[in-house]
Amino acid sequence: GAVVSQHPSRVICKSGTSVKIECRSLDFQATTMFWYRQFPKQSLMLMATSNEGSKATYEQGVEKDKFLINHASLTLSTLTVTSAHPEDSSFYICSGQAPVGTDTQYFGPGTRLTVL
Amino acid sequence: TQLLEQSPQFLSIQEGENLTVYCNSSSVFSSLQWYRQEPGEGPVLLVTVVTGGEVKKLKRLTFQFGDARKDSSLHITAAQPGDTGLYLCAEATSGTYKYIFGTGTRLKVLA
Repeated sequence: GAVVSQHPSRVICKSGTSVKIECRSLDFQATTMFWYRQFPKQSLMLMATSNEGSKATYEQGVEKDKFLINHASLTLSTLTVTSAHPEDSSFYICSGQAPVGTDTQYFGPGTRLTVL
Repeated sequence: TQLLEQSPQFLSIQEGENLTVYCNSSSVFSSLQWYRQEPGEGPVLLVTVVTGGEVKKLKRLTFQFGDARKDSSLHITAAQPGDTGLYLCAEATSGTYKYIFGTGTRLKVLA
């Protein structure tokens, strides 16, 4: 149980375009999902907390207008990287918190974004 | 701001050797998770420790939580090439469930 999927697994786009990444909890409902970014050979850095039915909460230094998050249902959160630039190239990972009220997060397999 | 420091950063050992990875915090953990991440994949939960002094075992992996809940260790006995990966500790900030991840330990086990 507690499986999280991400789509796509890899995406290459041109500079200036927007890219949408989906995060789905397959066998549980995730009121809260989290989005992380991981640069090569580094640890995970939390970008934002996504709550179903409300606005996302962004960490300091993360531009909310650039990284649009939508959490329209208990099993789906999306991250849209708008007007992507090469410095946005990274490994983006989402997680779902389950069950409600616990510390445990289950992570998706990640999405490798490359901006040319 | 709470910081999680892991040591060592990198470790390359021969198959069959033992190793210990450490995770230290500037303040008290509420709970601590250990994850293992392979290249191109998301982190996979290994264990959660909650109580000071707690010891948990998962096959050849032994996890300890310090008495003061400010440090934790992961000990691997008789390492195998399949243990290769990035080991991450993570702490959930109280009341928010947001994770702060450690700096990571990259382990390579040579056959």
